[in-house]
Amino acid sequence: NAGVTQTPKFRVLKTGQSMTLLCAQDMNHEYMYWYRQDPGMGLRLIHYSVGEGTTAKGEVPDGYNVSRLKKQNFLLGLESAAPSQTSVYFCASSYSSGGNQPQHFGDGTRLSIL
Amino acid sequence: AQSVTQLDSQVPVFEEAPVELRCNYSSSVSVYLFWYVQYPNQGLQLLLKYLSGSTLVKGINGFEAEFNKSQTSFHLRKPSVHISDTAEYFCAVSDRGNYQLIWGAGTKLIIKP
Repeated sequence: NAGVTQTPKFRVLKTGQSMTLLCAQDMNHEYMYWYRQDPGMGLRLIHYSVGEGTTAKGEVPDGYNVSRLKKQNFLLGLESAAPSQTSVYFCASSYSSGGNQPQHFGDGTRLSIL
Repeated sequence: AQSVTQLDSQVPVFEEAPVELRCNYSSSVSVYLFWYVQYPNQGLQLLLKYLSGSTLVKGINGFEAEFNKSQTSFHLRKPSVHISDTAEYFCAVSDRGNYQLIWGAGTKLIIKP
């Protein structure tokens, strides 16, 4: 019963490097989200997707790109990493729209940018 | 725009004592309300939710929350906490028809033996 799986779990990058975070869900959910979590700031939405082939900007999209080529996968890319992107990144998914469906979370990716 | 305030960043409480974690939201339009729990080094998991109906909602692990529309609050309570309740608790709100969740900053529950 995997739910939402994020890879990798930890990563250290140098400033300017690029990387992709992978999120996979096996619940056939339409909606997927990428958040970042910083101390004292709760969760902030980076990008989200309302279905395969669609993406949209959230609250803090700058410096990130996303793709959803398959319904079960949602990728988050950092083209040129900056120290300000040091954070814990969470992927989540939900069944449908309307706001009444709970989101299911992965265990997070801890990313440090040196 | 909707906003969520969790009034306490940390709440220390003795084991077996009752606890209340406070959450207020800004907009009085129809909302859905959620509490999530995050154990150390884990993702968030749903504790309970209010969608409609009874204003007292019961969740997992003995937690409950009460929706108060006039005070725009959704406080989380447990009558007797256990060391295993040590975690960070997040309140989240979505306006009906909007699938985006607005999150509070979180409250760390610290259980003292």
